[in-house]
Amino acid sequence: ETVLTQSPATLSLSPGERATLSCRASQSVSSYLAWYQQKPGQAPRLLIYDASNRATGIPARFSGSGSGTDFTLTISSLEPEDFAVYYCQQRSNWPPFTFGPGTKVDIK
Amino acid sequence: EGQLVESGGGLVQPGGSLRLSCADSEFTFSIYSMNWVRQAPGKGLEWVSYISSSGTTIYYADSVKGRFSISRDNAKNSLYLQMNSLRDEDTAVYYCARDYSVAGNFGNWGQGTLVTVSS
Repeated sequence: ETVLTQSPATLSLSPGERATLSCRASQSVSSYLAWYQQKPGQAPRLLIYDASNRATGIPARFSGSGSGTDFTLTISSLEPEDFAVYYCQQRSNWPPFTFGPGTKVDIK
Repeated sequence: EGQLVESGGGLVQPGGSLRLSCADSEFTFSIYSMNWVRQAPGKGLEWVSYISSSGTTIYYADSVKGRFSISRDNAKNSLYLQMNSLRDEDTAVYYCARDYSVAGNFGNWGQGTLVTVSS
């Protein structure tokens, strides 16, 4: 099973700042990595798929990069609605599909 | 895009059974593979099960294998999860999720249904 680790666990930033979230895989997942955003009481929402492709309707301030075992989600300038939990997830070595433990982006 | 609506959650005793449903308003439901993903209270996301568009390919997480059964009825635009021999650790919000383009890109999610296993 491919284990995903995310860092940091919590990121405290102010609106307008740049957020950089990391996801590392225990083995190569090629570029088959996705990022999801989840707000309290809501279902997750797909942001990025295949490492760097924005899903439909996702603002350009969200970008993804990486391949192999190391990946990054960048939010170029945080908007108030971006404070949430972010999960990475791999679809390379499945079953099972696996998720990282999440990074919480909260307001500083 | 179509909306996914789960139902069937509730309180059940350990060892009991429950059947979850997911209704998809997307008229092309039959061309999408589908999944169940769960989230225990205050915890992260855990993939539970996958079913291909035709229903011929099915996978389960080890944690539910032999106890849960996924199925679909394309004529009714519906996905199901039959859960037997429920344990305390199965307590979670269960989401159905539609694959986006390929298996494993969970492009659309329902609002979730809460399953509580407790005596």
